[in-house]
Amino acid sequence: AQKVTQAQTEISVVEKEDVTLDCVYETRDTTYYLFWYKQPPSGELVFLIRRNSFDEQNEISGRYSWNFQKSTSSFNFTITASQVVDSAVYFCALSEAWYGGSQGNLIFGKGTKLSVKP
Amino acid sequence: DAGITQSPRHKVTETGTPVTLRCHQTENHRYMYWYRQDPGHGLRLIHYSYGVKDTDKGEVSDGYSVSRSKTEDFLLTLESATSSQTSVYFCAISELPKETQYFGPGTRLLVL
Repeated sequence: AQKVTQAQTEISVVEKEDVTLDCVYETRDTTYYLFWYKQPPSGELVFLIRRNSFDEQNEISGRYSWNFQKSTSSFNFTITASQVVDSAVYFCALSEAWYGGSQGNLIFGKGTKLSVKP
Repeated sequence: DAGITQSPRHKVTETGTPVTLRCHQTENHRYMYWYRQDPGHGLRLIHYSYGVKDTDKGEVSDGYSVSRSKTEDFLLTLESATSSQTSVYFCAISELPKETQYFGPGTRLLVL
């Protein structure tokens, strides 16, 4: 069955520290998509990245980087030199391609709450 | 930002009353989704739509119905609200099923 596990419920760091948020997924499909979303205290869900199962290249966007490893079914997210504005709940999500009639709905992990203290 | 609005943004209602939440998009995307967010559960899919008048159930559809009479509007109805339906409801849209989903601002619903 499809499943996304974010084992870290809460993480607290001091500003400028690097922090890695873990995401492990389970899927029966060979074609799938992985996502990260950010939910700041204001409550909206902000899309960060989408990665398909055939692209294992790591991605870097400013202070954010993502490490996708199919061998370990992981899609981890690292924030370098964290800032107070990074404080949010971060969700990892999985979408399978057309499996079982579910047309692309996202399976979310339970989220990791990151607190960055000044 | 994707043009997605949800109304109302906040609602308090009593057990047993019907409630309708509206999601409106200006992106002309074919796919629309309703999720609920609860502490300890992340987001879970309630219903989704893949076109006008085309809808299907998600993981937690019991007690909910949906309708889509126009591309831009997707309605979620709680026929008889219960306290277990107290939640934050998010609408999402995508152009294709495996493309990125963009979320609306959410509706906080409290059922007393």
